This record gives sequence, C-alpha cells and structure tokens, in this order.
Amino acid sequence: DIQMTQSPSSMSASLGDRVTITCRASQDIGNYLSWFQQKPGKSPRRMIYGATNLAAGVPSRFSGSRSGSDYSLTISSLESEDMAIYYCLQSIQYPWTFGGGTKLELK
Amino acid sequence: EVQLVESGGGLVQPGRSLKLSCAASGFTFSNYYMAWVRQAPKKGLEWVATISTSGSRTYYPDSVKGRFTISRDNAKSSLYLQMNSLKSEDTATYYCARGTEAPDYWGQGVMVTVSS
Repeated sequence: DIQMTQSPSSMSASLGDRVTITCRASQDIGNYLSWFQQKPGKSPRRMIYGATNLAAGVPSRFSGSRSGSDYSLTISSLESEDMAIYYCLQSIQYPWTFGGGTKLELK
Repeated sequence: EVQLVESGGGLVQPGRSLKLSCAASGFTFSNYYMAWVRQAPKKGLEWVATISTSGSRTYYPDSVKGRFTISRDNAKSSLYLQMNSLKSEDTATYYCARGTEAPDYWGQGVMVTVSS
C-alpha cells in the first residue's frame, strides 16, 4: 500500500499568513493527488485535484504543487474561513490512502 | 446541483449486519464510479470501497474485504454498502462520494455505531 505522510499534523497561523501543508508519497503517484478541506461537523470538500488543479468554486488563494514525491497545499493569505482540517489523498492505485490530516488553527 | 444523500445508519450490535444507501441526483449517475469513505470519531478519513460505472468491478481495502459489499442500481441512481460481521472498529460516519479518479462530491454522511 502507498503511504501518505502528511505534515505538520497541526499548526497555528495568523490572518494573512502564507501557509503550506505537505504530503510525501511512499511510491510514485504521478499527479493522482487531491486535497480536501473539512470543517467541524461537515463533509470533506475537494480543494485541489490532479496535484495542481483548483476545484470549482475554491478561492484562488489556494494552490497545489509537486516536487518529486512531495505534494504541497499552499494558502497564500490566510483567512478566518480557512480554519479546518486538511487531508491529502492518493488515488493512483487501490487502496486509496489519505494523509493523517493537518489541523489549521488561528494563532 | 449534485446531491448525495446517505441513509440507513444507526446502532447495531457486533457481528450483525447493516445496509447503507446513498441517493444521487443532479448528474448522470451511471457515468461515474462511486465510493464510500468513512471517518471514525475524532479520526481521519479512510477509503472503504469503490464501484465501477456498471458495477462489474469493485475494490476494497483489506480492513473490510470479505465483510462489506458495495453495489449500485443505476436505474434508481442509488449506491449501497452492505456491511456484515460488524466490529466495534467499524464505528464511523460513512460518506458516499462521487468520483472516478478521486472523490469530487461528498454526501453529508451517516453515522454507524457498533456496540452491544
């Protein structure tokens, strides 16, 4: 199975900060990497697909990038509505595997 | 508007069975792979099952293989998850999700509690 190591597991940041969350894949997953945002009591929401593609309706301050086996989600200027848990997902092969999640809190 | 509405959750004893349903609307159901993803209380997301457009191919992780069965009825735009031999570690919110390469739309989730 492909392991997705997500870091950090939690972080606090201030409004307006640039924030980066990273997932490292244990095997080659190409660009089969998605990012999801989950707020308390809500379903996950797709933010990024194909490693770098912004999902419909997602603010442009969110972006995805890849460097080798490292995949990153960046928020260019943090807003209060971005406080949530973020998960990555590899879907190149079954079993699909999620990262452990990153809890983003306001400093 | 894409809508996925799960139902069928509840409290069930260990070793018993439960069947979840997901009613889809707002898109051509038969054109998409569908999946179930679960989340144990205060834990992360875990993929549970995926089914192809026709239902001829199904995929499961080892944690549920042989106990859970995903199925679909394209005429009814409905997805199902038959869960047998339930264990306490199956306690979770179960989400229905649309997606061929990866989930794009998710339902609101349904809670399943396995306890005596």
